[in-house]
Amino acid sequence: GAGVSQTPSNKVTEKGKYVELRCDPISGHTALYWYRQSLGQGPEFLIYFQGTGAADDSGLPNDRFFAVRPEGSVSTLKIQRTERGDSAVYLCASSFRVRETQYFGPGTRLLVL
Amino acid sequence: AQKVTQAQTEISVVEKEDVTLDCVYETRDTTYYLFWYKQPPSGELVFLIRRNSFDEQNEISGRYSWNFQKSTSSFNFTITASQVVDSAVYFCALTTGANSKLTFGKGITLSVRP
Repeated sequence: GAGVSQTPSNKVTEKGKYVELRCDPISGHTALYWYRQSLGQGPEFLIYFQGTGAADDSGLPNDRFFAVRPEGSVSTLKIQRTERGDSAVYLCASSFRVRETQYFGPGTRLLVL
Repeated sequence: AQKVTQAQTEISVVEKEDVTLDCVYETRDTTYYLFWYKQPPSGELVFLIRRNSFDEQNEISGRYSWNFQKSTSSFNFTITASQVVDSAVYFCALTTGANSKLTFGKGITLSVRP
């Protein structure tokens, strides 16, 4: 079956702009996760959803970052007033239930100029 | 707090050599899950294995094997008879029974030369 998909695959924006990154989880997976990976580092947790609600958003770096999952499937990560330090690969993962194996999408590479 | 340490940063071997990737973890939870993921040059993280804290049995899958030792808080990964296609960054990760977020190590870059 289809894996996790993420769009766009690449996004270039200017400092101060707003961006939205989309994640489509594996069908039937109830849990969805967002991570951020900087060059040469391991992925770092941002937020995860169980169904429609954010179960843990402790990894969001500041209030410029926000994520939603209104119908319990697709999720959107929103970044306001982007800064150059936001440049990274944003990874989405999903699992059938929480605490089960997470399967990752290909990521969105964000570059803030 | 939980932590994963991958002390090796880069390893280079010649094809057909065996190679072991080390992983040491820290957690206060008694229920936890350990993972290895592979990230090839294409960038997508590929799941390799999941182990829970109550199952210390070693596992073998083809050329891959994993050694889980609670006494040393280690979960090492061995590739036997390495191949060029094994070249990738390998991440060890941990999640606990208390929460679902993965904590990753910094990764080990493995290069297998023909």
